[in-house]
Amino acid sequence: EAQVTQNPRYLITVTGKKLTVTCSQNMNHEYMSWYRQDPGLGLRQIYYSMNVEVTDKGDVPEGYKVSRKEKRNFPLILESPSPNQTSLYFCASLSPGLSEQYFGPGTRLTVT
Amino acid sequence: GNSVTQMEGPVTLSEEAFLTINCTYTATGYPSLFWYVQYPGEGLQLLLKATKADDKGSNKGFEATYRKETTSFHLEKGSVQVSDSAVYFCALIQFSGGYNKLIFGAGTRLAVHP
Repeated sequence: EAQVTQNPRYLITVTGKKLTVTCSQNMNHEYMSWYRQDPGLGLRQIYYSMNVEVTDKGDVPEGYKVSRKEKRNFPLILESPSPNQTSLYFCASLSPGLSEQYFGPGTRLTVT
Repeated sequence: GNSVTQMEGPVTLSEEAFLTINCTYTATGYPSLFWYVQYPGEGLQLLLKATKADDKGSNKGFEATYRKETTSFHLEKGSVQVSDSAVYFCALIQFSGGYNKLIFGAGTRLAVHP
């Protein structure tokens, strides 16, 4: 079954404590992306990756890092989380031309 | 830049009522348009899409027609069910810097009551 998995699904942490949200896809897609979802703002792109070792900033990259060492995995790293990063995060895996798009189930992060 | 505007929710309907969720867009060229649905506690799923003017996307009883003249892509369903309760996102593809990027609207929450 084609899918995108994210872990953890829920996370409560404190300001400044580094964390990583993992994302993995089994469709051999080159393009992957991270979004955050906030009320009234829809989904905003944080970072994307067009292929292994190729990453670039989206619309709201501040405070985030990513890596793409292998095609299936695209972790999101928060080196020093702050309360304004409390949000719902989605990883997406996209086929060429975005004709097929798959989203992970989401990670709800709370930073206190 | 490109953008998507959706009607604000929540939209509250009784079962079997007619649904319209408005979506308009601003874009250069002729983007492909999408509707995504997010059920409670889940990620986004592609509901339907249209890739050129006058195309009609349809799925699960939902329809949307790509209207270039009004830059709109309104979502409709003739008879909603309680199971349709979800958040609906309109989106378009923006081609930028050599890759395709999805631009989302803010989302519209639909609540259907028995």
